[in-house]
Amino acid sequence: GDSVTQMEGPVTLSEEAFLTINCTYTATGYPSLFWYVQYPGEGLQLLLKATKADDKGSNKGFEATYRKETTSFHLEKGSVQVSDSAVYFCALVTGANSKLTFGKGITLSVRP
Amino acid sequence: DAMVIQNPRYQVTQFGKPVTLSCSQTLNHNVMYWYQQKSSQAPKLLFHYYDKDFNNEADTPDNFQSRRPNTSFCFLDIRSPGLGDAAMYLCATRGTESYEQYFGPGTRLTVT
Repeated sequence: GDSVTQMEGPVTLSEEAFLTINCTYTATGYPSLFWYVQYPGEGLQLLLKATKADDKGSNKGFEATYRKETTSFHLEKGSVQVSDSAVYFCALVTGANSKLTFGKGITLSVRP
Repeated sequence: DAMVIQNPRYQVTQFGKPVTLSCSQTLNHNVMYWYQQKSSQAPKLLFHYYDKDFNNEADTPDNFQSRRPNTSFCFLDIRSPGLGDAAMYLCATRGTESYEQYFGPGTRLTVT
């Protein structure tokens, strides 16, 4: 079945540091890939998406590129802020059932 | 702004006392989902509606039921809440033109 693997957390960074959060996937067919962010006590917000190989999703300084050859969708940001502290979920959907398959999520803490 | 609304944000119920959580949307999306999210975990899909068609996940307990009286509203009924049902409950919607799901802010359920 479909699955998403995220790197183990939590991650703690200083403000303005470079961020990479790894995400790899296993899927039948051609999935669409997503990063969702969840701030404390809130629901999930779509951060960015990519629907086909080599697509780059970007939003709020975050980027991720759909790499079919390595089945990866790593999240990057060049300079994190304290306000980026949240839980980040990598997820995929395939056309087979249109259900989101989530990774376990990773907590990012950014200190001033 | 078009959005997904969940009421109440916080709900306290007693062990075994039925409780209903509500979700409404102004996006006019065909698909509505209910997820359960426990602390430090990814959301777990309970069921979803595609228009009026109800789709239950195989491992969703019978204690959880849902109603969708119209396009805009969807309810989650927990018939006899147990202590293990304490969690954040997330509603999400999706249109038929993409796989993006839009989440509400969630209802935090406490069972005493």
